Amino acid sequence: GDSVTQMEGPVTLSEEAFLTINCTYTATGYPSLFWYVQYPGEGLQLLLKATKADDKGSNKGFEATYRKETTSFHLEKGSVQVSDSAVYFCALRAGANNLFFGTGTRLTVIP
Amino acid sequence: GAVVSQHPSWVICKSGTSVKIECRSLDFQATTMFWYRQFPKQSLMLMATSNEGSKATYEQGVEKDKFLINHASLTLSTLTVTSAHPEDSSFYICSAMGGPEKLTYEQYFGPGTRLTVT
Repeated sequence: GDSVTQMEGPVTLSEEAFLTINCTYTATGYPSLFWYVQYPGEGLQLLLKATKADDKGSNKGFEATYRKETTSFHLEKGSVQVSDSAVYFCALRAGANNLFFGTGTRLTVIP
Repeated sequence: GAVVSQHPSWVICKSGTSVKIECRSLDFQATTMFWYRQFPKQSLMLMATSNEGSKATYEQGVEKDKFLINHASLTLSTLTVTSAHPEDSSFYICSAMGGPEKLTYEQYFGPGTRLTVT
């Protein structure tokens, strides 16, 4: 079945450090891939997405590239800020409208 | 735009009682709403999908008689946990699909409801 495996956290970084959160997936067909972010006390928000192989999603300095050959969609940011502290979820959608989520990775950025 | 609210944000109830959780799309009409459950350090697990005016579609293993879902309008869906037990304690999250633009398949998420059954 469809599933997402996400790097476990928590992750603690200093401000301006480089961030990578790994995400790999298993799916039949050609899924769309997503990264969601959940700030404290708020709902999940779509951060970025990619709908086909080699697509790169980007938003707010975050990037992720849909790699079909490695079934991966790793999230990266070159220089994190304190305001990036949140929980990040990798997700996929294969057909229909159902989303399959990873377990989430808590990121804390310290000044 | 595309704000989804949930009420209450947290609730404590006694074993055997029922609890209703509301999910509202505040600035758009949601043709479809989803209910998820999240256990600590685990993924969000889809419980059911509901379309306005029709019966909800439940995922395998989810008891439809225990988790009653009503989607009576394009802006409101409710989840009622009937005869709650401690094992029903969890974080329940809803999402709504429709969006402020036409033909969007984006899901917009509520902030979640923490249910504790004592």
